[in-house]
Amino acid sequence: DAGITQSPRHKVTETGTPVTLRCHQTENHRYMYWYRQDPGHGLRLIHYSYGVKDTDKGEVSDGYSVSRSKTEDFLLTLESATSSQTSVYFCAISRDRSSYEQYFGPGTRLTVT
Amino acid sequence: QKEVEQDPGPLSVPEGAIVSLNCTYSNSAFQYFMWYRQYSRKGPELLMYTYSSGNKEDGRFTAQVDKSSKYISLFIRDSQPSDSATYLCAMWAGKSTFGDGTTLTVKP
Repeated sequence: DAGITQSPRHKVTETGTPVTLRCHQTENHRYMYWYRQDPGHGLRLIHYSYGVKDTDKGEVSDGYSVSRSKTEDFLLTLESATSSQTSVYFCAISRDRSSYEQYFGPGTRLTVT
Repeated sequence: QKEVEQDPGPLSVPEGAIVSLNCTYSNSAFQYFMWYRQYSRKGPELLMYTYSSGNKEDGRFTAQVDKSSKYISLFIRDSQPSDSATYLCAMWAGKSTFGDGTTLTVKP
């Protein structure tokens, strides 16, 4: 998985609790992305980062926040988890903005009960 | 309407069959056309990409793009059980937009 790790790999949490997912890369790529993957919806972009402390929203950003304090780490926080946020979350990286090639992490399977 | 529509599948074929996976799109600004392969409980991995209309071949895989029809295909020749996976098409115009995926099973 191209030097990308995600933690935790699985998590079960209750509605209303905050949850933080971590993505760590060893490739020194500038761009990092968070996607969620759901049946019938494919991969949808939540947030992305184009540098330390530089982030922007994707198409499904409501209820999520991100932070990037180091090049190698990109955190996704569900501020108050809801059942609709049950999904598989993938982190991806790319070298720069013009790079069509993305490398994906192994995913985090999140269940909100 | 979604910008990228992918044939939903699932597909089940015998080993050795030729497989055709297809996507259509509506955004003329897409410049790169990619196919990702995703094994069960794994992240997607880039399989092939093309930039222009025409065919690109890599071993048993051929990617085809028809920009005039806004249609792309991935052909797999001599399919193997190890090809069993979900295949995602993706298109890039500053950011990637993904199809929903087609799950392929190749039976020995």
